[in-house]
Amino acid sequence: SAVISQKPSRDICQRGTSLTIQCQVDSQVTMMFWYRQQPGQSLTLIATANQGSEATYESGFVIDKFPISRPNLTFSTLTVSNMSPEDSSIYLCSVAGGSGTEAFFGQGTRLTVV
Amino acid sequence: AQSVAQPEDQVNVAEGNPLTVKCTYSVSGNPYLFWYVQYPNRGLQFLLKYITGDNLVKGSYGFEAEFNKSQTSFHLKKPSALVSDSALYFCAVRNNNNDMRFGAGTRLTVKP
Repeated sequence: SAVISQKPSRDICQRGTSLTIQCQVDSQVTMMFWYRQQPGQSLTLIATANQGSEATYESGFVIDKFPISRPNLTFSTLTVSNMSPEDSSIYLCSVAGGSGTEAFFGQGTRLTVV
Repeated sequence: AQSVAQPEDQVNVAEGNPLTVKCTYSVSGNPYLFWYVQYPNRGLQFLLKYITGDNLVKGSYGFEAEFNKSQTSFHLKKPSALVSDSALYFCAVRNNNNDMRFGAGTRLTVKP
């Protein structure tokens, strides 16, 4: 298993500003994923962040809005840029091992944009 | 692409009764299926998975799930529900790119 720490756990931000969310894992992992969970809804994959390459974004998500860094095998950041109230969600970091293994999740960052 | 569906938004059961949370899947090739639980203001916790082998998979907190290939289902079950089982449950499938794809979620409420 993996222990994932996310910071901050929650934040209230003004519209038009940016917030960077940090994800720290207690072991080296190849694959890291960022998800968004809007209120009362399921998890939607934003992007896959692999060390040594640019993040791969899912349809509907773009790098300018959600820039991601992956400087090493234990750390990643997701920035939510130029925020609007529609960005109010829980953002979750996840790591996974090889095919057939379960994914592990951080506690999430609850973002409220006012 | 792989996907899962949870046909019920809400499941209500009385404490002590058996519970079932439904999930169906659509995959090409062998399915890697998972169940997660989310308690209020908490992250997702892994419950169990099916990779291969026995169709009945046992997991955490007394939960189990039955893989049924002919019905493409992976329903979550528990013989006797507890009030503390009340939470949001997600079925998920491991995609070919190794990310997880989640169902819409089912809110389970267990009443005393």
